[in-house]
Amino acid sequence: DQQVKQNSPSLSVQEGRISILNCDYTNSMFDYFLWYKKYPAEGPTFLISISSIKDKNEDGRFTVFLNKSAKHLSLHIVPSQPGDSAVYFCAASWNQGGKLIFGQGTELSVKP
Amino acid sequence: EAGVAQSPRYKIIEKRQSVAFWCNPISGHATLYWYQQILGQGPKLLIQFQNNGVVDDSQLPKDRFSAERLKGVDSTLKIQPAKLEDSAVYLCASSRDRVTYEQYFGPGTRLTVT
Repeated sequence: DQQVKQNSPSLSVQEGRISILNCDYTNSMFDYFLWYKKYPAEGPTFLISISSIKDKNEDGRFTVFLNKSAKHLSLHIVPSQPGDSAVYFCAASWNQGGKLIFGQGTELSVKP
Repeated sequence: EAGVAQSPRYKIIEKRQSVAFWCNPISGHATLYWYQQILGQGPKLLIQFQNNGVVDDSQLPKDRFSAERLKGVDSTLKIQPAKLEDSAVYLCASSRDRVTYEQYFGPGTRLTVT
């Protein structure tokens, strides 16, 4: 049972444009969502998060949007840079901490 | 602040052999997690420790996997005997406490079972 889904395995974007990565979830108990970025041969790095009581959280070039009614969240990167090329994982959790449920990941390629 | 340390970074073993992975979390982090990441998938939790106690090991294949965190700091994950399907990256993560959502990951150990 895949509770967190990232349906796009890959995304290619031109440098300077917006990157939009999408994530869907099925478990309405999730109350916190996180995005992680992963470079090859490294562990995932925490990027940005959002609580279920909010619908938007912004940190520099990164913004996460949450649509609870649609059980959907998205990560916007503006402007995209070649250094943003990595695999991005969406993760969800509930009940104040504990395990993270991860999506399958989306590989972002930002071309100069 | 030093990050999560893991060793070894790579390991190749034959099936039915045993292997052990080591993790040292961020200093002061009470909660430690071991995840398994199979190629093309997201990480999946194997076991969660709070200090030296197990909080969640529901996804740990206990017939072959074991883990300990005896002094509430570093941790060891063992597989004995290994199967081909255990080939994966084993990630250790830590968080400040059990109610903190953000987890910080180590570089992982890539295990290949032949």
